[in-house]
Amino acid sequence: QLQLQESGPGLVKPSETLSLTCTVSGADISSRAYYWAWIRQSPGRGLEWIGSIYDDAGNTYYIPSLRGRVTISVDMSKNQFSLRLRSVTAADTAVYYCARHEGLLDPCDFWGQGTLVTVSS
Amino acid sequence: IQMTQSPSTLSASVGDRVTITCRANENINNWLAWYQQKPGKAPNLLIYKASSLQSGVPSRFSGSGSGTQFTLTISSLQPDDLATYYCQEYSSYFRTFGQGTRVGIK
Repeated sequence: QLQLQESGPGLVKPSETLSLTCTVSGADISSRAYYWAWIRQSPGRGLEWIGSIYDDAGNTYYIPSLRGRVTISVDMSKNQFSLRLRSVTAADTAVYYCARHEGLLDPCDFWGQGTLVTVSS
Repeated sequence: IQMTQSPSTLSASVGDRVTITCRANENINNWLAWYQQKPGKAPNLLIYKASSLQSGVPSRFSGSGSGTQFTLTISSLQPDDLATYYCQEYSSYFRTFGQGTRVGIK
């Protein structure tokens, strides 16, 4: 049974880097059968797509407003993918979800439970 | 792309037919999904490609529309349908979500 589990610090200081990992069980990331995505949700901004990754060959797609601050990477040996968001501010406080979508033009059909990240000194 | 949902909140009785509208500010063909989110949980995919029912989703949920105007209908509202519903376009890299419609039970 597919499971996605987010992990990482729940508190990050302003100007530092937010780092989260999504561990996938029940599916093999290296099979290249899916895209693996990050989405966040906050009261002020609602649900916001961050980006997704297909493989470790550079096939990543980011929302333009975060491009330059965000990196999504995959570690196929650990069946994990990760999010790094640099130079965070309070506006980056949100629940962060990892999810999968089957094709580039497909919605996310499976989500992790989400993890709250607060940006505060 | 901007996605605008209406209404923001609604309250209906069990058994009522409920309709939620989502408008895009440009043509997204049928690249639209609907999600249900219950408090403290991740969104759950209900409808994809505007009108296709995701596997395992009750048949009382249906979607329609294309281009810029879309509708999610719950044919007979059930107590378990208490949730917030979101539309999402996935025709662009933005994959923009609507602001949500909170559905309550009278």
